[in-house]
Amino acid sequence: GNSVTQMEGPVTLSEEAFLTINCTYTATGYPSLFWYVQYPGEGLQLLLKATKADDKGSNKGFEATYRKETTSFHLEKGSVQVSDSAVYFCALRAPATGGSYIPTFGRGTSLIVHP
Amino acid sequence: DVKVTQSSRYLVKRTGEKVFLECVQDMDHENMFWYRQDPGLGLRLIYFSYDVKMKEKGDIPEGYSVSREKKERFSLILESASTNQTSMYLCASRLDRGYEQYFGPGTRLTVT
Repeated sequence: GNSVTQMEGPVTLSEEAFLTINCTYTATGYPSLFWYVQYPGEGLQLLLKATKADDKGSNKGFEATYRKETTSFHLEKGSVQVSDSAVYFCALRAPATGGSYIPTFGRGTSLIVHP
Repeated sequence: DVKVTQSSRYLVKRTGEKVFLECVQDMDHENMFWYRQDPGLGLRLIYFSYDVKMKEKGDIPEGYSVSREKKERFSLILESASTNQTSMYLCASRLDRGYEQYFGPGTRLTVT
């Protein structure tokens, strides 16, 4: 079946540090890949997405490149801010039994950014 | 903008009570979902619905039921609440299977 594995947190960084959150996946067919962000006390928001191999998704200074050869979709940001403190979820959407296209989520990685 | 709303942000119920969690979306989305979120376990799918009156079990449907009588509304029902159902409950919707999900703010349910 489909699965998503992301690095465990928390990831603790100082402001302006470089961020990488690793995400790898297993899927049937050709999945679409997503990063969602959950700020404290809120639901998930779509951060970025990529729908085919070598696509790069980007938003708010965050980037992730769909690497089919390594089945990865790592999230990066060059200079984090305190306001980026949140939980980040990697997810995929691919055909499942019955063609349901139910998204599969990783367990989430908590990011804490200190001033 | 798509808006997904949930009836309560915080809810406290007693063991054995029947609990209703309501979710409403305003963008005519076909699909709707209920998840629970627990520390270290991420999001787990309880039920989803392709369309009005249609529902499918997710990964952890035991102890829950759902109702979708109107397209915009998807209700999660705990027939007899138990303490192990204390959790954050998230509702989501999407236009159709080829699109991304939009999430509500969540309901933090405590069962005592």
